[in-house]
Amino acid sequence: EPEVTQTPSHQVTQMGQEVILRCVPISNHLYFYWYRQILGQKVEFLVSFYNNEISEKSEIFDDQFSVERPDGSNFTLKIRSTKLEDSAMYFCASSFPLAGGSTDTQYFGPGTRLTVL
Amino acid sequence: GENVEQHPSTLSVQEGDSAVIKCTYSDSASNYFPWYKQELGKGPQLIIDIRSNVGEKKDQRIAVTLNKTAKHFSLHITETQPEDSAVYFCALSGSARQLTFGSGTQLTVLP
Repeated sequence: EPEVTQTPSHQVTQMGQEVILRCVPISNHLYFYWYRQILGQKVEFLVSFYNNEISEKSEIFDDQFSVERPDGSNFTLKIRSTKLEDSAMYFCASSFPLAGGSTDTQYFGPGTRLTVL
Repeated sequence: GENVEQHPSTLSVQEGDSAVIKCTYSDSASNYFPWYKQELGKGPQLIIDIRSNVGEKKDQRIAVTLNKTAKHFSLHITETQPEDSAVYFCALSGSARQLTFGSGTQLTVLP
C-alpha cells in the first residue's frame, strides 16, 4: 500500500541554523501539507500546497518557513533560522482531490522529530 | 476559525468492553470529520471518516456517528483489544482543506 515517507526521522540542530525536512508524498496525490505537533499537544496545521503554490497557511507559518516541491516526488519544509520553540514533530501529509469538491482524505507520514538546542 | 473540543482526555477500558470518544465543534460549515489513531512515535493513521451527508458509518469494530444539529461526532470502538491502545484524535475541516485536530484521547485497553 502506498504511503507517505519522511526523512530524516530525527533532526538535531543548533538555534539559528537552517533545517530542511523532506517528504515523499503518495505518488498520484496532488495536495501536500505540513503539520506539527509539539510534545504532548494536538496536531496543528502549518501549510498546504497545490499546483506549485501555497493554497492555505496558518499563523504559525511565518516568514521563517518556506515550502518547495523541487522535483516530481519530493516536498520540503525549510525553517530558515530555528528557534527553541520550533522543537516538535513535523508531519507531512498528502491527498488526492475528490470529485464534486468533497474534502479529500489526508494520509500522514511517520514524522520528523526536530530538536533545537 | 474552526475549533473542536475532545473528551475524555484519557480513557481506560477492560478488554472486550466498548470505548466512546466524543468531539464537539462550533462551525456549522464543517463538513468532513476524520478520526486518526496515533501510536507512540508514529504519525496519525486514519481509521475512519464521515462526511456531513451521512449520520453514521461503520467499519468492523469501529463506528462514527455525526449529529450536525447538535454539532458533535463520536467514535465508537467495540470489543476492544490491547492493540487498540493509542492516542485517538478527532479532526474536522470545512470550506478550507486544512484539518483542525482535537486535543486527543489516550485510550488504554487493560487485558
